[in-house]
Amino acid sequence: DAGVTQSPTHLIKTRGQQVTLRCSPKSGHDTVSWYQQALGQGPQFIFQYYEEEERQRGNFPDRFSGHQFPNYSSELNVNALLLGDSALYLCASSRQGLRNTEAFFGQGTRLTVV
Amino acid sequence: DAKTTQPPSMDCAEGRAANLPCNHSTISGNEYVYWYRQIHSQGPQYIIHGLKNNETNEMASLIITEDRKSSTLILPHATLRDTAVYYCIVRVGLGGGSNYKLTFGKGTLLTVNP
Repeated sequence: DAGVTQSPTHLIKTRGQQVTLRCSPKSGHDTVSWYQQALGQGPQFIFQYYEEEERQRGNFPDRFSGHQFPNYSSELNVNALLLGDSALYLCASSRQGLRNTEAFFGQGTRLTVV
Repeated sequence: DAKTTQPPSMDCAEGRAANLPCNHSTISGNEYVYWYRQIHSQGPQYIIHGLKNNETNEMASLIITEDRKSSTLILPHATLRDTAVYYCIVRVGLGGGSNYKLTFGKGTLLTVNP
């Protein structure tokens, strides 16, 4: 079992550019959540996808958008990058229908905006 | 979201038990307490969760007070590899089933010393 995989592991972008991060959930999981973790802070919830739809969203601007594919994998897109978007972006997967299932996290994508 | 309060840091000697406290005085009756840890620059790792009974697994034990306003995570024999930030989280449900998000605080940095 490969667990949750994210790509790329590191990325450097210029302010104003756009970025796409990718996540493959753990086998058997159908729900993907994205989190942003700034240096020295805990992860902050961005949004969650299930059945290819955004189900809930945290306090993040519309520059942050996502997508879920039929195979349950997901992408996080950030437009018009700001220096403050530099962070570790984490993907977590879980499974619907099974109460109290824990979320499994990937190793994250370290995004640096210069 | 129910808030949690944790000490910012703790030390523990290798081989000793590490007891990490968490206050969650506003927890609702159907909210669970989850513990995750994050080793430097890696994704958070699930440890254990509970509702009102004490729980134990291969990693740790979780002791929840009878009024559910606080809990303690116990690592029975801490090793150097247990050095990490430990997050106590009260799970908020987004909808039916397991459709939930995790609200992280700053956690407790546990340093295990040789």
